Amino acid sequence: DTEVTQTPKHLVMGMTNKKSLKCEQHMGHRAMYWYKQKAKKPPELMFVYSYEKLSINESVPSRFSPECPNSSLLNLHLHALQPEDSALYLCASSQEGPWANVLTFGAGSRLTVL
Amino acid sequence: AQTVTQSQPEMSVQEAETVTLSCTYDTSESDYYLFWYKQPPSRQMILVIRQEAYKQQNATENRFSVNFQKAAKSFSLKISDSQLGDAAMYFCAYTQGGKLIFGQGTELSVKP
Repeated sequence: DTEVTQTPKHLVMGMTNKKSLKCEQHMGHRAMYWYKQKAKKPPELMFVYSYEKLSINESVPSRFSPECPNSSLLNLHLHALQPEDSALYLCASSQEGPWANVLTFGAGSRLTVL
Repeated sequence: AQTVTQSQPEMSVQEAETVTLSCTYDTSESDYYLFWYKQPPSRQMILVIRQEAYKQQNATENRFSVNFQKAAKSFSLKISDSQLGDAAMYFCAYTQGGKLIFGQGTELSVKP
């Protein structure tokens, strides 16, 4: 399995809703990432987990809450989002060692906040 | 600050022709990695090619090759024999210290 799987592909939520994005990989990668991407812009790093511990938080608002229950799974919990949070959310994973910098990306979850 | 600059927001190439996408970066580090990622309309980001800064030899992957000029901090991507499936947004990226820093992207269109 050489894929990063993200669900759902599309999500529409109101500003008072609570929802979650899910990311899964079975490549044995020990680092997992959340990126936010606006249309025709580069991805912006949000969080990095290494060995299931949060190692980087790029000053993301607390309405985004990451969780890494195990080495294969990464969640992003969403609560009280704003319309400007509408974007494509990309999950990625990577190996350790010399290939640590090569990220495998999922297809993303398109989030719309009404 | 680490920065990556792609000066061509859009480019166009005729099918079967060659096109070069430019990228410059700024770093004070001596050991780092450079990448080109491709993001087609299907939106999944795919690694095209990777270059280790300590290697002088330019990386090549089939029709894709780079021109890495370390002193000039330049890392251009050449696509030979362009195909319709090459149409995508191309991001140059630089990494060091666990973070991948992307350029603003170049949108490549391929004309039949």
